[in-house]
Amino acid sequence: EPEVTQTPSHQVTQMGQEVILRCVPISNHLYFYWYRQILGQKVEFLVSFYNNEISEKSEIFDDQFSVERPDGSNFTLKIRSTKLEDSAMYFCASSLRQGAVTEAFFGQGTRLTVV
Amino acid sequence: GEDVEQSLFLSVREGDSSVINCTYTDSSSTYLYWYKQEPGAGLQLLTYIFSNMDMKQDQRLTVLLNKKDKHLSLRITDTQTGDSAIYFCAESPYGGSQGNLIFGKGTKLSVKP
Repeated sequence: EPEVTQTPSHQVTQMGQEVILRCVPISNHLYFYWYRQILGQKVEFLVSFYNNEISEKSEIFDDQFSVERPDGSNFTLKIRSTKLEDSAMYFCASSLRQGAVTEAFFGQGTRLTVV
Repeated sequence: GEDVEQSLFLSVREGDSSVINCTYTDSSSTYLYWYKQEPGAGLQLLTYIFSNMDMKQDQRLTVLLNKKDKHLSLRITDTQTGDSAIYFCAESPYGGSQGNLIFGKGTKLSVKP
């Protein structure tokens, strides 16, 4: 069964460093998403991406964040200068369509720890 | 703004039925979703219900929607130890015109043998 895969599963980084979280969405999907879950908190929407551009982003997704689909298969989330409060589980998701119903398939997540 | 609330914990005995409840605020949500997260795994879409439906049944899963009270529930019959996981309720705001989902905090279901 096709699945969304994320690497690494766990990333530890020092405050102020840049990190890139990687995702390989399901191959025929067209819409891509990043969500995050701070420990004990809700899963929060960060950004959606379609046709090589951001289609929607939340207030969390500020100038520190960027997304890219560099090669047609990977979908990356970059955090330029990490802060302690960026520590969270980051989930990538993809869907074939969007709108009427969004059947989003999620990856297993990358746990980011900023020290 | 939009919000989704769930109780955090539920414990049941194997073979019993589990009912996980959720309330949401966005009356324009077209679809409501239930996701399951097993330890170390991603969010798995279990089922969803269209807002003009009251009930949807899929094998051991029954989703009930009370649109007037903005209350959604997931019933699992004959709960098994393999059902132990965190269950997230989610809505798609703005009538589903955008793909982002609003999630609850998740209900941790523990199934005791």
